[in-house]
Amino acid sequence: DGGITQSPKYLFRKEGQNVTLSCEQNLNHDAMYWYRQDPGQGLRLIYYSQIVNDFQKGDIAEGYSVSREKKESFPLTVTSAQKNPTAFYLCASSIAFGLATGELFFGEGSRLTVL
Amino acid sequence: KQEVTQIPAALSVPEGENLVLNCSFTDSAIYNLQWFRQDPGKGLTSLLLIQSSQREQTSGRLNASLDKSSGRSTLYIAASQPGDSATYLCAAQTTGNQFYFGTGTSLTVIP
Repeated sequence: DGGITQSPKYLFRKEGQNVTLSCEQNLNHDAMYWYRQDPGQGLRLIYYSQIVNDFQKGDIAEGYSVSREKKESFPLTVTSAQKNPTAFYLCASSIAFGLATGELFFGEGSRLTVL
Repeated sequence: KQEVTQIPAALSVPEGENLVLNCSFTDSAIYNLQWFRQDPGKGLTSLLLIQSSQREQTSGRLNASLDKSSGRSTLYIAASQPGDSATYLCAAQTTGNQFYFGTGTSLTVIP
């Protein structure tokens, strides 16, 4: 079945540590996205990638980093510079970026808790 | 910047009732409007996508409409069931290629 796989589902981090969240898709989509979801707030865009080896900052990129070395993979690193990293992180993909985006599809999410 | 609002934040209805969820957006220059369902602790599941040239989309008991001029979209759920209990989110894609999400309506269908 085609879809988006995020791992791990739950992750605990000590302050000062970097952690990496995995996102893999087998939908053959060009565009991939990372969102952050906090209680009572809408989803906020962290980073997006239109194509392999290219990515752009979203609205809340500070303290995060990404890479896009393969079409299928778009890992997100939450660095120690992120002041309030405890949140639910969602990876998404779409056929393309721009006017032909089509539907946005999401993974099951990763919940990060800072101890 | 596009702002998306969903009112009410929470809604409880008895099983079998028809209901309407509302989504409003401030910038009518949108390209797509997409409705999602989110179960607790889970990702978002796409329900319906309405392109700007369309007025509505239907899937089973769900019907979504789009009125760009008034900045509104509605999701109609017919004959609600307890399994419909979830949070429903809408997202407006602007011509600048960003998706803007509402905070969702939490629906509880009481058996």
